[in-house]
Amino acid sequence: NAGVTQTPKFQVLKTGQSMTLQCAQDMNHNSMYWYRQDPGMGLRLIYYSASEGTTDKGEVPNGYNVSRLNKREFSLRLESAAPSQTSVYFCASMTDIAKNIQYFGAGTRLSVL
Amino acid sequence: DAKTTQPPSMDCAEGRAANLPCNHSTISGNEYVYWYRQIHSQGPQYIIHGLKNNETNEMASLIITEDRKSSTLILPHATLRDTAVYYCIVRGGGNKLVFGAGTILRVKS
Repeated sequence: NAGVTQTPKFQVLKTGQSMTLQCAQDMNHNSMYWYRQDPGMGLRLIYYSASEGTTDKGEVPNGYNVSRLNKREFSLRLESAAPSQTSVYFCASMTDIAKNIQYFGAGTRLSVL
Repeated sequence: DAKTTQPPSMDCAEGRAANLPCNHSTISGNEYVYWYRQIHSQGPQYIIHGLKNNETNEMASLIITEDRKSSTLILPHATLRDTAVYYCIVRGGGNKLVFGAGTILRVKS
């Protein structure tokens, strides 16, 4: 049981480049999330998807787009990367709303030069 | 969702109980208290949650005061591997968690 899998683990981009962060879960969860974590800070929610086919903005959505490809996969796209997007990105999925327990991936460490 | 207040850091001797406090004085009746931890460079890990009764699982115990305005996470026999940032989160309905700065717990030998 892999849980939540994120790819890639590390990435270096130049300013203006684009890339997509991939996330997949094998726990049949409906809800999925993307967070970013800057050094010494807590996690901030970028986007989330309560169910397949729906997405909603979180606290810091600017500069990002998301796609809920199917129930398993939720991708995060940076269309034109900026140095301010240098961060660690975590994907999570959640059990049913009654329990609301989120399971996190190992993270993608992104540097934008 | 109610805001929480945690001390920025705490130390604990290996093998002793670690007691991590959290204040949530504005908690409302239907809001749960959740605890997660984040070991260096890893994704956060769920520990435990509760509404008003004390809870215990294989990882920890959660003690919630009778007025529900504060809670304490107890790691009964802390090990070096418990060194991490511990987040106390209060939420009600809906499906979003809001992470604060948490408490850095350092377990020392």
